[in-house]
Amino acid sequence: EADIYQTPRYLVIGTGKKITLECSQTMGHDKMYWYQQDPGMELHLIHYSYGVNSTEKGDLSSESTVSRIRTEHFPLTLESARPSHTSQYLCASSEFGTGFNEKLFFGSGTQLSVL
Amino acid sequence: QKEVEQNSGPLSVPEGAIASLNCTYSDRGSQSFFWYRQYSGKSPELIMSIYSNGDKEDGRFTAQLNKASQYVSLLIRDSQPSDSATYLCAVRDYGQNFVFGPGTRLSVLP
Repeated sequence: EADIYQTPRYLVIGTGKKITLECSQTMGHDKMYWYQQDPGMELHLIHYSYGVNSTEKGDLSSESTVSRIRTEHFPLTLESARPSHTSQYLCASSEFGTGFNEKLFFGSGTQLSVL
Repeated sequence: QKEVEQNSGPLSVPEGAIASLNCTYSDRGSQSFFWYRQYSGKSPELIMSIYSNGDKEDGRFTAQLNKASQYVSLLIRDSQPSDSATYLCAVRDYGQNFVFGPGTRLSVLP
């Protein structure tokens, strides 16, 4: 079983608040990702990182930022939450450089509701 | 724009039957192919990965890959109600990110 943890599991917050979603993994994986998923819809990549001090934007611009100061930690920050940010946020990691065998492991997700 | 397509379903099969899930992809450079299972309200979990043309079996699950036709399928034998979930197809080119399909919702009827 993958050791990747997300907190909080659920978050209800008011418009305009700054929030940080936490993600940590204990597998020593280099690559980490943040995906956004609405109910019944596909996963959209919002940010990813190849390793420490590496961050890249994905296909979906969600007005969020990420940082990667430590290998195991990849937090996602929304500076000013809006109702349109209401969604499930999934963190994932993979061992970069394993070629075809690179597999993606997911955390349990954070369900965010912005009122 | 790389695309992965799946029928959204729901696909309903009786308990004990074979469930067949299909996925097509647009990028001929895709090298790795994955099936994830996602229960409602949960995160995706990896079921199968396949890299070479042909079949790959793991228990009740068989993944089939045809690169020439750009499709990958997942067969679930002896389907159980606990298999009811959304199945996500994902593809990846070497060194690139994973691209996910929208998922097929499977319902196994007791």
